[in-house]
Amino acid sequence: AQTVTQSQPEMSVQEAETVTLSCTYDTSESNYYLFWYKQPPSRQMILVIRQEAYKQQNATENRFSVNFQKAAKSFSLKISDSQLGDTAMYFCAFILNNNDMRFGAGTRLTVKP
Amino acid sequence: ETGVTQSPTHLIKTRGQQVTLRCSSQSGHNTVSWYQQALGQGPQFIFQYYREEENGRGNFPPRFSGLQFPNYSSELNVNALELDDSALYLCASTRAETGIYGYTFGSGTRLTVV
Repeated sequence: AQTVTQSQPEMSVQEAETVTLSCTYDTSESNYYLFWYKQPPSRQMILVIRQEAYKQQNATENRFSVNFQKAAKSFSLKISDSQLGDTAMYFCAFILNNNDMRFGAGTRLTVKP
Repeated sequence: ETGVTQSPTHLIKTRGQQVTLRCSSQSGHNTVSWYQQALGQGPQFIFQYYREEENGRGNFPPRFSGLQFPNYSSELNVNALELDDSALYLCASTRAETGIYGYTFGSGTRLTVV
């Protein structure tokens, strides 16, 4: 089964602190792509960061970085210097065959002032 | 460049009715995917359209159908609405040649079935 598991339904962090969101996935494929999306109250899914499974180097985008452990099928997101605007639902996802993107159930992140 | 736009933003329908949701893809994008996001859950893949043909389908019954038009806009049609169809319906577009690098999502249509 191609599934994504996010084991933390809710998390909170103080402004300027660092937080890590967890994600594990299950697939028998070797070639796939992993994503973290942010969904604020506006409902639009916004791409935070992307990782190609064939790349060993962890992706980084400014304050956002991932820890990709392919053998363990783990893909965690680290947010550094958290800002109030980071408050949102965060979804981990992966895609096979360029059309069926599988999402986890999400983690609600609250950044506190 | 314009993003993905969806209409309407909210909709209330009665069980058994039919509904059509619309999506205008981002400029330059030729592929459209539809997702259903139930309350408190992640989005689930319904289907994808490329060159006006269905190009992959998730685990949804045939009463969920779609269309893609020559301008790459798309419709999602749901017949015989059930209470469990109440959800946020998201549209995402991309350019097939860049595929997974360029999915852009709209803000969704909130459908309530009563």
